[in-house]
Amino acid sequence: NAGVMQNPRHLVRRRGQEARLRCSPMKGHSHVYWYRQLPEEGLKFMVYLQKENIIDESGMPKERFSAEFPKEGPSILRIQQVVRGDSAAYFCASSPPGRQQTGTSGVYEQYFGPGTRLTVT
Amino acid sequence: AQSVTQLGSHVSVSEGALVLLRCNYSSSVPPYLFWYVQYPNQGLQLLLKYTSAATLVKGINGFEAEFKKSETSFHLTKPSAHMSDAAEYFCAAPSSYGKLTFGQGTILTVHP
Repeated sequence: NAGVMQNPRHLVRRRGQEARLRCSPMKGHSHVYWYRQLPEEGLKFMVYLQKENIIDESGMPKERFSAEFPKEGPSILRIQQVVRGDSAAYFCASSPPGRQQTGTSGVYEQYFGPGTRLTVT
Repeated sequence: AQSVTQLGSHVSVSEGALVLLRCNYSSSVPPYLFWYVQYPNQGLQLLLKYTSAATLVKGINGFEAEFKKSETSFHLTKPSAHMSDAAEYFCAAPSSYGKLTFGQGTILTVHP
């Protein structure tokens, strides 16, 4: 069973360009989380999606950032008009359906991808 | 709101020595707590998880953690450090919809 896949692993963009980060969850997983790891700031939640739905985007910057998880294909984190402060590692995690609110031993367990390291020049 | 605090951003030990990484949580009753490990330029790997079933939790690679409600702690330990344990370790707790709140991370260095 392949793990969570992210591509590209490394992405370089000039200021003002767009960055598209892709995440393919583990087989059978329908929940995707995006996290950002900024230098000196640790890992922060950005957005939680299910197929075709954004469930929680409380961690997303209000402007320039968007995310989607279509019925078919990977989840996409899109950053428009990138700035140097967007340089970070972006991680995607997935979890199986039905394990976000219950009391089973597998609840909340998320499996992380290797990340995309975005550098804005 | 659920939050976790890791005391010590850097911990250095000698190979074979005890590893102790500290994590304290804040909440009325945390149902779940996790420790993740991140090797350089890689994603996060789950080390172990607390799910209220047992206060002493054993994980992979010889790590274990003890949930202590009286101290609101969930410290990670390993009796004997190995060079391959050098990595960054994160304590995490889930909140609404399962999103994880992470501690600031502790970088573990192991000296020969």
